[in-house]
Amino acid sequence: GQNIDQPTEMTATEGAIVQINCTYQTSGFNGLFWYQQHAGEAPTFLSYNVLDGLEEKGRFSSFLSRSKGYSYLLLKELQMKDSASYLCAVSAYILTGGGNKLTFGTGTQLKVEL
Amino acid sequence: EADIYQTPRYLVIGTGKKITLECSQTMGHDKMYWYQQDPGMELHLIHYSYGVNSTEKGDLSSESTVSRIRTEHFPLTLESARPSHTSQYLCASSRGQGETQYFGPGTRLLVL
Repeated sequence: GQNIDQPTEMTATEGAIVQINCTYQTSGFNGLFWYQQHAGEAPTFLSYNVLDGLEEKGRFSSFLSRSKGYSYLLLKELQMKDSASYLCAVSAYILTGGGNKLTFGTGTQLKVEL
Repeated sequence: EADIYQTPRYLVIGTGKKITLECSQTMGHDKMYWYQQDPGMELHLIHYSYGVNSTEKGDLSSESTVSRIRTEHFPLTLESARPSHTSQYLCASSRGQGETQYFGPGTRLLVL
C-alpha cells in the first residue's frame, strides 16, 4: 500500500516564500506529482518529479529525494490567487495493463494573507 | 490546457433514479480514471480503464459501473442513486504509463 503525509494547513504572507512538504511510503514508485486545487474545482497539474533533485517552473519548484521518501513544493512571490489546496500524489506501477496509479494525500490548504 | 470534459457539472436528483455521468477527452489518451472526492477530503480512485473494452475497480468500493466502448468516452452509471452517493466525481486521463493525469472539471452530485 501507499502512505502519504502532508501538513493539513499553512498560512503565508503575500510576496513571501512557502515550502509544502510531503513524505511517502510506497512500492513500485513511478514519480511524484503536485496538483493545485481551488475550492470546488478540479485539480490542475503543477509538477512531476521522477528523479532526485529540483524541478523549477516559474514561481513553482518541486524537489524529490527518493531515498528519503520526501518531496517539497516551493512557491515563491506568493500571490493571493495561490490560496488553494496543494495535493501531493504518488504514482506507482500497480495497475494492470501498464497504467500508473496515483494515490493522493489529503492536501495542504494554503492561505495567503496580505 | 487539457481537453477533457464532464457533463453535467451539477446534478440534483431523487433517490432511486438512474444517472449517467459523462466524461470525454479529445487527447487520444488510452488511460482514463474516475475519482470520488467529498468536500475537503482526498481523492479516491473508484474506476479506471487502460483502453477500449477494459475496466477495473479502484481502491474505493463504489456501486457505480463504467464502460469504455470508445477511446474518448468513459461514462459512469449509477443504477439507483442514494443520498450516500452525494459527492464530487472527477474524471481524468493520461497518455500512458507514468504520464501526467489531467482532470476534467468534475460533476457535483446531490442525491435527495
